[in-house]
Amino acid sequence: DAGVTQSPTHLIKTRGQQVTLRCSPKSGHDTVSWYQQALGQGPQFIFQYYEEEERQRGNFPDRFSGHQFPNYSSELNVNALLLGDSALYLCASSGRQGANSPLHFGNGTRLTVT
Amino acid sequence: GQQLNQSPQSMFIQEGEDVSMNCTSSSIFNTWLWYKQDPGEGPVLLIALYKAGELTSNGRLTAQFGITRKDSFLNISASIPSDVGIYFCAGQPGGATNKLIFGTGTLLAVQP
Repeated sequence: DAGVTQSPTHLIKTRGQQVTLRCSPKSGHDTVSWYQQALGQGPQFIFQYYEEEERQRGNFPDRFSGHQFPNYSSELNVNALLLGDSALYLCASSGRQGANSPLHFGNGTRLTVT
Repeated sequence: GQQLNQSPQSMFIQEGEDVSMNCTSSSIFNTWLWYKQDPGEGPVLLIALYKAGELTSNGRLTAQFGITRKDSFLNISASIPSDVGIYFCAGQPGGATNKLIFGTGTLLAVQP
């Protein structure tokens, strides 16, 4: 039973560029959340997708956008990259949106912006 | 962004010792969770707590959901070298999503 998978594992981009990160949820899960984890800090909630719609959003600018596909996989897009966007981006999936369904995390994509 | 107050920030212990860490919030949570994160990996769920006062064990790990719903603690008994890592608490405010607010993390080092 595959867990949450993310790609790529590492990425280096230049300021001003755009990036797309991908996530496949754990089998049986239909809700995908994205978190940003800066070095030495806990993960920060970006947004959550359920039924192909953004259900809740954290305190992140509109440069951060996402999408969920009919097969429940998801993408995180970041436009006009800033140096401060360098972080580990974590995808988490859960079984039922809004219920007591613990999040299961992938191993993340390490994004470095130079 | 909002983060929960987690203490201690780091712990350096001998193998076999017991460990205790806690997490506090100014807000009430419906669910508390504890995760462990190893270098280069994502957080792995250790224990989930759903009711105020609930005490739950998972092997050598024990966690409790505080009565006030604003705090939680995690105990690890008889620590072993593979317990090394960063431990995060996370609170779920509830409502329409299961969004989590994470603590600042506790770095645990275990010397054999």
